[in-house]
Amino acid sequence: QKEVEQDPGPLSVPEGAIVSLNCTYSNSAFQYFMWYRQYSRKGPELLMYTYSSGNKEDGRFTAQVDKSSKYISLFIRDSQPSDSATYLCAIQNTNAGKSTFGDGTTLTVKP
Amino acid sequence: NAGVTQTPKFQVLKTGQSMTLQCAQDMNHEYMSWYRQDPGMGLRLIHYSVGAGITDQGEVPNGYNVSRSTTEDFPLRLLSAAPSQTSVYFCASSSPGQGKNIQYFGAGTRLSVL
Repeated sequence: QKEVEQDPGPLSVPEGAIVSLNCTYSNSAFQYFMWYRQYSRKGPELLMYTYSSGNKEDGRFTAQVDKSSKYISLFIRDSQPSDSATYLCAIQNTNAGKSTFGDGTTLTVKP
Repeated sequence: NAGVTQTPKFQVLKTGQSMTLQCAQDMNHEYMSWYRQDPGMGLRLIHYSVGAGITDQGEVPNGYNVSRSTTEDFPLRLLSAAPSQTSVYFCASSSPGQGKNIQYFGAGTRLSVL
């Protein structure tokens, strides 16, 4: 079993829709939770990070962590065509300083 | 504001050839890592370094060598290229602070091995 499992997609939604992207993890030692966005033919870039259970909001994006269920989500409100990208969850054990990535979910937002 | 710079952007090799993928960062980050990304498989860690002179293996190290003589540079060497090494390679750097390790990625090197 992989340490991080991500909903595979691909996902295609109309502009303005609410998008939910999800990952589960198996190791309770993980303490930092990150979402990276990767546009086509580009490197990943950090979108959001959080370290506690609950919600963290940044504009149209909300990261949600449920440590009891080992489940993390990224919600995108009022999705835009510019949100079309691959989204990668990444989870980190603070002692290791390394991140373990999910396989990514490719999102297409159609105008 | 260069960040993480990878060269070359594209490369085609024949089976058995060797080459070095270059990675340089100008953010004075202690940590540097190499990943490969294959379709549907996310990012897999090849090798990483927590400082000059210190390297360690990641998830898929076979067929690759690294060294870190300076803080800025972290080259990845393919010793004898194989078709299974056809992939997109990303270098990342980070400076762990307060426990979290936010990585900054280069634009990638697309490698084809024929």
